Amino acid sequence: QKEVEQNSGPLSVPEGAIASLNCTYSDRVSQSFFWYRQYSGKSPELIMSIYSNGDKEDGRFTAQLNKASQYVSLLIRDSQPSDSATYLCAGDASYDKVIFGPGTSLSVIP
Amino acid sequence: EPEVTQTPSHQVTQMGQEVILRCVPISNHLYFYWYRQILGQKVEFLVSFYNNEISEKSEIFDDQFSVERPDGSNFTLKIRSTKLEDSAMYFCASSGSSARGYTFGSGTRLTVV
Repeated sequence: QKEVEQNSGPLSVPEGAIASLNCTYSDRVSQSFFWYRQYSGKSPELIMSIYSNGDKEDGRFTAQLNKASQYVSLLIRDSQPSDSATYLCAGDASYDKVIFGPGTSLSVIP
Repeated sequence: EPEVTQTPSHQVTQMGQEVILRCVPISNHLYFYWYRQILGQKVEFLVSFYNNEISEKSEIFDDQFSVERPDGSNFTLKIRSTKLEDSAMYFCASSGSSARGYTFGSGTRLTVV
């Protein structure tokens, strides 16, 4: 059974700090990983996608992928209160099926 | 910015009734999806749809569920005989290619009483 696993949190960081969110995947077949942000009562919003080993940076966000370790992370630099949300890690379980982890709740304290 | 539109935003139905949830994907997207999220739980895959047929479906997507693209713009999810446990937020999503990032609609909150 392919699963995406995350620490549920909550993770609390002070404003301006780096938030580090982690995710592991239980099967080696997955090729693509995604990070989504979900505010309470809202739909998931795509933040980052990463397909190859290494780092990918987009503004204050950096995604890191290590396929050998089945590990993907998201770093948020200069965290802002508006970053407070649940962050969902997702990966492709097959050709046309992406599955989500349970999410990590992030709280950025002003 | 292009959006995925879902209607209604909230639907209350009696157990055993049929419901149809509607979605208008982004116009140049070819891949369509339904997910659901029970309150406090994770986002669960239901079904993917491409080229007018189902690509993948989950164990949740049993004979009570069906999807349809009745015209060039709408994508619907039908639940034939709703159960209490079908109460959830249902999200439609679309993508320009498979296994790439999705754009989600704002969701339909289905409450079965």
